[in-house]
Amino acid sequence: GQNIDQPTEMTATEGAIVQINCTYQTSGFNGLFWYQQHAGEAPTFLSYNVLDGLEEKGRFSSFLSRSKGYSYLLLKELQMKDSASYLCAAMDSNYQLIWGAGTKLIIKP
Amino acid sequence: DAGITQSPRYKITETGRQVTLMCHQTWSHSYMFWYRQDLGHGLRLIYYSAAADITDKGEVPDGYVVSRSKTENFPLTLESATRSQTSVYFCASSEREINEQFFGPGTRLTVL
Repeated sequence: GQNIDQPTEMTATEGAIVQINCTYQTSGFNGLFWYQQHAGEAPTFLSYNVLDGLEEKGRFSSFLSRSKGYSYLLLKELQMKDSASYLCAAMDSNYQLIWGAGTKLIIKP
Repeated sequence: DAGITQSPRYKITETGRQVTLMCHQTWSHSYMFWYRQDLGHGLRLIYYSAAADITDKGEVPDGYVVSRSKTENFPLTLESATRSQTSVYFCASSEREINEQFFGPGTRLTVL
């Protein structure tokens, strides 16, 4: 079956770095997406990886290893506004997104 | 305003009633999606559409009906609401299959 695993909750300190991991199993693979979702709001797109390696976008970076079925989202210089859920989603061979349940990130001052 | 909107934002209904959730986008995106989001679950795809008059089932289509007569609108109908359909419903759109999806603000539906 198709499956996405990511930790349920993580806690980090303002100004620090945090890595949110995601493992996936899908029928075929057309890329890995990360979205941010603040409580009570809609998900918003953060990143897309389809090739192995690291993609950097400001304070956020995303990494993909296709052979390991693994991705991570790296958040640097954490700010209080980064408190949110981070959703990992893999696109399968039918171009449908398979979503993880999300990782709730709590930032402490 | 440009973007993707959903209405109503909140809805309370009773078991057995028909409910229609509206979704409208102004980007002329080809693809539109309906998801439900429940605690402890990832977003689950209900239905999607690749273009006007083309719709297809997602992971959890039972109890739902969609139509897409115009590119910009993609209504979702619960024909006979059940308590298990209490959820937050998100509509999304994308220009192409692989592109990022843009989400509407969501509709919080409660079925009593």
